[in-house]
Amino acid sequence: GENVEQHPSTLSVQEGDSAVIKCTYSDSASNYFPWYKQELGKGPQLIIDIRSNVGEKKDQRIAVTLNKTAKHFSLHITETQPEDSAVYFCAASIGGKLIFGQGTELSVKP
Amino acid sequence: KAGVTQTPRYLIKTRGQQVTLSCSPISGHRSVSWYQQTPGQGLQFLFEYFSETQRNKGNFPGRFSGRQFSNSRSEMNVSTLELGDSALYLCASSLVTGNTEAFFGQGTRLTVV
Repeated sequence: GENVEQHPSTLSVQEGDSAVIKCTYSDSASNYFPWYKQELGKGPQLIIDIRSNVGEKKDQRIAVTLNKTAKHFSLHITETQPEDSAVYFCAASIGGKLIFGQGTELSVKP
Repeated sequence: KAGVTQTPRYLIKTRGQQVTLSCSPISGHRSVSWYQQTPGQGLQFLFEYFSETQRNKGNFPGRFSGRQFSNSRSEMNVSTLELGDSALYLCASSLVTGNTEAFFGQGTRLTVV
């Protein structure tokens, strides 16, 4: 069935360090992988995405990598800042339906 | 450019009642998807509407239904509310249906007592 596993569930880093969140998906038909950031009391905000014909994508301090063979994709945040603290969700899209991971609570300590 | 607007932001209902939630997508977007978010189950897909037609449906009972109007605004309805329906209901707006960027609203927090 359709499933996305996300690790770790919590992540604490010092300001300036890097953070990496990893996801694995089950359905090989998935071809679009967005990442969302959700702050308290708000809806998820799309921060970066990648399609299955691309291996890596960067946007300033954020990068996403995709390994289609292994069905893995990861989010990399460099030079973390306190405002990066939030819950991050990965997702895999199948026919427009987003299957979400369980979320990673990132805490960046000043 | 206005984002996705969901109303109301908060609702308290009693078991057995029904509720209707509203979502106005980003101007020009024609696809609206609904998701339920709970601490235990995370974010789960309810259904997607595109051009007033339901295109996709998740694994929720028939008490959960929706519709989309000609202006792309969407409503979802939950009948015979149960305590377990307490959740944050999120609406996502996309330009078209399929594997494309989806932008979420702030959600409607439903509490069933």
